[in-house]
Amino acid sequence: QSVLTQPPSASGTPGQRVTISCSGSSSNIGSNYVCWYQQLPGTAPKLLIYRSNQRPSGVPDRFSGSKSGTSASLAISGLRSEDEADYYCAAWDDRLSGPLFGGGTKLTVL
Amino acid sequence: QLQLQESGPGLVKPSETLSLTCTVSGGSISSSSNYWGWIRQPPGKGLEWIGSISYSGSTYYNPSLKSRVTISVDTSNNQFSLRLSSVTAADTAVYYCARHTIRMATAGTLDWLDPWGQGTLVTVSS
Repeated sequence: QSVLTQPPSASGTPGQRVTISCSGSSSNIGSNYVCWYQQLPGTAPKLLIYRSNQRPSGVPDRFSGSKSGTSASLAISGLRSEDEADYYCAAWDDRLSGPLFGGGTKLTVL
Repeated sequence: QLQLQESGPGLVKPSETLSLTCTVSGGSISSSSNYWGWIRQPPGKGLEWIGSISYSGSTYYNPSLKSRVTISVDTSNNQFSLRLSSVTAADTAVYYCARHTIRMATAGTLDWLDPWGQGTLVTVSS
């Protein structure tokens, strides 16, 4: 099954700014909104960003999302050790009539 | 605070039917603005959306699983359920339930899954 394309891994040192990319097509990111999920080790995913750039209550403003054309990005500033997790992008896909997930990016805080 | 909890057998034999239930607490499953979804994650792999249902029974299914999936809702018990037939080892995964918000806007479809249940591992093996 097709998925949105994310880099398998990313890394940064504490305090740094890291970005994670997510590439899709006209049937998903190109025409619909993007959300991002954070999955800490051994836990369920948690909503991090919705509507491409909105943060749910309780999510620090160190996390930000953006979208341009058929691509989206998640930026994490002031990186912390507790940010070490898997990050997934997702967008509604018009052909699927449902959400399509990215393959996930494992973020390591060095 | 809305909470979701999956329940069901952790081991299913090949060719049999996987059945899971998600119990919603802290809110009503009958909210007209929400759908309720199932997502799975094979060990060490990424997330796959299975399908979603509204309180009235309207459904969206992943086409890749549609022939084997049935999602139903029980408003009297504030639960919704997943049945996946003819399972194989490839269906071994952690299965999550979640509230699925879906909004059809002029600028596109807006959807998100929040909150999620803690997940339950289902292993397909004889």
